[in-house]
Amino acid sequence: QSVLTQPPSVSAAPGQKVTISCSGSSSNIGNKYVSWYQQFPGAAPKLLIYENNKRPSGIPDRFSGSKSGTSATLGITGLQTGDEADYYCGSWDTSLNGRVFGGGTKLAVL
Amino acid sequence: EVQLVESGGGLVKPGGSLRLSCTASGFTFSSYTLNWVRQAPGKGLEWVSSIDGSGHYTYYANSVRGRFTISRDNARNSLYLQMNSLRADDTALFYCARGSYGDEAFDVWGQGTMVTVSS
Repeated sequence: QSVLTQPPSVSAAPGQKVTISCSGSSSNIGNKYVSWYQQFPGAAPKLLIYENNKRPSGIPDRFSGSKSGTSATLGITGLQTGDEADYYCGSWDTSLNGRVFGGGTKLAVL
Repeated sequence: EVQLVESGGGLVKPGGSLRLSCTASGFTFSSYTLNWVRQAPGKGLEWVSSIDGSGHYTYYANSVRGRFTISRDNARNSLYLQMNSLRADDTALFYCARGSYGDEAFDVWGQGTMVTVSS
């Protein structure tokens, strides 16, 4: 059971938009930054979003992040088959005094 | 090129020990918090441990506290994870990851080293 809760899977058609939710609490998302990671099978995770809504250099603006209260959302527009991957949210938890991740969401572009 | 390369994984019996290493290149090693993150086969990411740039401050997940020890050698640009009293549920791919953006995110990841705990 992960501290941050994500839907196991989401799907959308090519060219459409999808959102992935990440639900936490006041000890993590509510008072700490959220980051998002993309992971393809057999590969290491890759940072997509940091500080809730900022993109590292090289990440296309099709990827966006937002946070409201104790929840965060990753948005992906103009979906491509190459976006099919697992997506994870992460934050710091002040009660656990450690980093926490969501359980991951598998994105299917149908 | 900024790079992290893990090594030291392998097959170990329950109750055994293993020491993982992560060698960094392409950045000022001592300026960054480093982390270990693991991923059991077919499962999600689990943060294991962090160590600040000086090596003075360390943090552990409850699942490994008292069994694992994180350390670093800034002269050798190396991060370590000493794992004792290993259990079957420690079986995972172990990644080292660099903390960045105020340590709020992990911006560089290694390719991982596999640890299998089995009799």
